Amino acid sequence: SAVISQKPSRDICQRGTSLTIQCQVDSQVTMMFWYRQQPGQSLTLIATANQGSEATYESGFVIDKFPISRPNLTFSTLTVSNLSPEDSSIYLCSVEVQEKLFFGSGTQLSVL
Amino acid sequence: KNEVEQSPQNLTAQEGEFITINCSYSVGISALHWLQQHPGGGIVSLFMLSSGKKKHGRLIATINIQEKHSSLHITASHPRDSAVYICAVFTGNQFYFGTGTSLTVIP
Repeated sequence: SAVISQKPSRDICQRGTSLTIQCQVDSQVTMMFWYRQQPGQSLTLIATANQGSEATYESGFVIDKFPISRPNLTFSTLTVSNLSPEDSSIYLCSVEVQEKLFFGSGTQLSVL
Repeated sequence: KNEVEQSPQNLTAQEGEFITINCSYSVGISALHWLQQHPGGGIVSLFMLSSGKKKHGRLIATINIQEKHSSLHITASHPRDSAVYICAVFTGNQFYFGTGTSLTVIP
């Protein structure tokens, strides 16, 4: 199994600022995934982060808006830049370990 | 067009009923996951399937690779099964998610 510590659990930010979300895994994993979940909707994959290479972004998501770092096999950050109210959502990370997906507890972001 | 389609979107059942949630996909996959998300809670992985059938307690998941279809069954449903169930497929380098099925089990 894997335990993921995701921080912060929630934040309220001003328009135009940035928020960085951290995920720490208790084991080494190759791929880490970042998602957005808007109210009442399912998960939308933002990007896949592999250690030692650039993250792969899904259609509609760009590096300038969602820069990702993956400095080692247990840690990753997602930054949501130049915040607008439309970025208000829950952001989650996950990893796949031994055929199961494990998720962080999520970061609820509200942009004023 | 969504790569993953789930049905039904919403489902209400009486306690004890047998429940089926369906997932169809249009891409080639290496694995399919069923996830459970309780209101206000985290996401839990129920199953990963690449072929055949898996069972865990009252939950059964099946997949037909040729038909690109998977089902999640819940036997003897209970109010604590009330949650959103999400189907996710992995192509080898990319995940696609269904829109989820919201299940409510009434005592």
